[in-house]
Amino acid sequence: NAGVTQTPKFQVLKTGQSMTLQCAQDMNHEYMSWYRQDPGMGLRLIHYSVGAGITDQGEVPNGYNVSRSTTEDFPLRLLSAAPSQTSVYFCASRLTSGPYNEQFFGPGTRLTVL
Amino acid sequence: RKEVEQDPGPFNVPEGATVAFNCTYSNSASQSFFWYRQDCRKEPKLLMSVYSSGNEDGRFTAQLNRASQYISLLIRDSKLSDSATYLCVVNLGAGSYQLTFGKGTKLSVIP
Repeated sequence: NAGVTQTPKFQVLKTGQSMTLQCAQDMNHEYMSWYRQDPGMGLRLIHYSVGAGITDQGEVPNGYNVSRSTTEDFPLRLLSAAPSQTSVYFCASRLTSGPYNEQFFGPGTRLTVL
Repeated sequence: RKEVEQDPGPFNVPEGATVAFNCTYSNSASQSFFWYRQDCRKEPKLLMSVYSSGNEDGRFTAQLNRASQYISLLIRDSKLSDSATYLCVVNLGAGSYQLTFGKGTKLSVIP
């Protein structure tokens, strides 16, 4: 199993540009989520999904869209990049069969918005 | 009040020392509890789950006090490889798969 994969690893954008961060998992996990991690702020939930066709907002959803057309893929779209979106983005997935299922993270995407 | 609070550290300890981290959480409905470990510029990885009766995994011992809404992690005989940031994690509540992360406690084990 590849686990959770994310592309790209690094990205530099100009203010106002849009882009999609890709996330895929091959573990047949129902639950997938996106976090951003900023210095001193910890991991904050952006959006999550409990299955194909179902998405919901987390703590910091503004400026981001998601979709879940398949179990495997959960892309994160930045609509109009702003410097405040400079961060490290982690995608994660877990099974929903029990409260103690491990959540697996991808390696992260380091995004800089100029 | 922040949902999951941890002492940010850093904790600088010599090899072989015992070190303890504490964490408090505000949501009394939280059902599942974890410690994750994050190395510098890497993704978080599960260190261990924390069960009501307390649990141990080698040099690591985790305890939960639901009445005080308090979680602890004890590391015995610290190794250089234990240097990392330790994240306290709780779920949002009954039936929720959402996890809330503390900001982490940084540990440096010194030779």
